[in-house]
Amino acid sequence: DTGVSQDPRHKITKRGQNVTFRCDPISEHNRLYWYRQTLGQGPEFLTYFQNEAQLEKSRLLSDRFSAERPKGSFSTLEIQRTEQGDSAMYLCASSSSSGTSTDTQYFGPGTRLTVL
Amino acid sequence: GDSVTQMEGPVTLSEEAFLTINCTYTATGYPSLFWYVQYPGEGLQLLLKATKADDKGSNKGFEATYRKETTSFHLEKGSVQVSDSAVYFCALRDSGYSTLTFGKGTMLLVSP
Repeated sequence: DTGVSQDPRHKITKRGQNVTFRCDPISEHNRLYWYRQTLGQGPEFLTYFQNEAQLEKSRLLSDRFSAERPKGSFSTLEIQRTEQGDSAMYLCASSSSSGTSTDTQYFGPGTRLTVL
Repeated sequence: GDSVTQMEGPVTLSEEAFLTINCTYTATGYPSLFWYVQYPGEGLQLLLKATKADDKGSNKGFEATYRKETTSFHLEKGSVQVSDSAVYFCALRDSGYSTLTFGKGTMLLVSP
């Protein structure tokens, strides 16, 4: 069990540019979540996959945000035309819908995005 | 909607002091409750959880009891260490849902 990994760990971009983040979940986990955390706040839910299906999206997720999970393994989160308000830590978590720790979410280290 | 309220920090304690971090919640169903910890420069780690009323979660000397009557899940530790300095997040997952709702976090600073 290598844990949830995220890449990159840090991203600095200019306003208006597109960015893409990757998340690799724990290998046997079929559920994958994206959250956003701003300074001094708790994580806020963005979107959630079960296998390759995107089952839920938060109203926080504007049309500039898109997420995919092809083949139900890794996931990508893309932000188009970034704005300064997108600066935050983007967290990925994964969980299993079966077993003894059903649906306990395990988090990755996060990707810190800074939009200049 | 669901929400979690935590006491504001920072909480500043001397080593070996008793710790309580208050957490209360509102939920439409019968939630599972969690405490996560975030050490400086690291990601969120699950500290403990409880899935039904009167359950007590415990780990690394920390404890929290699910109190349905007071809608609370307060975190306690009998004797804190400098290494416990971190931000602590209370969270819930409502029944029938998979996503977590977090509180704003409480920073704990422990001095030697």
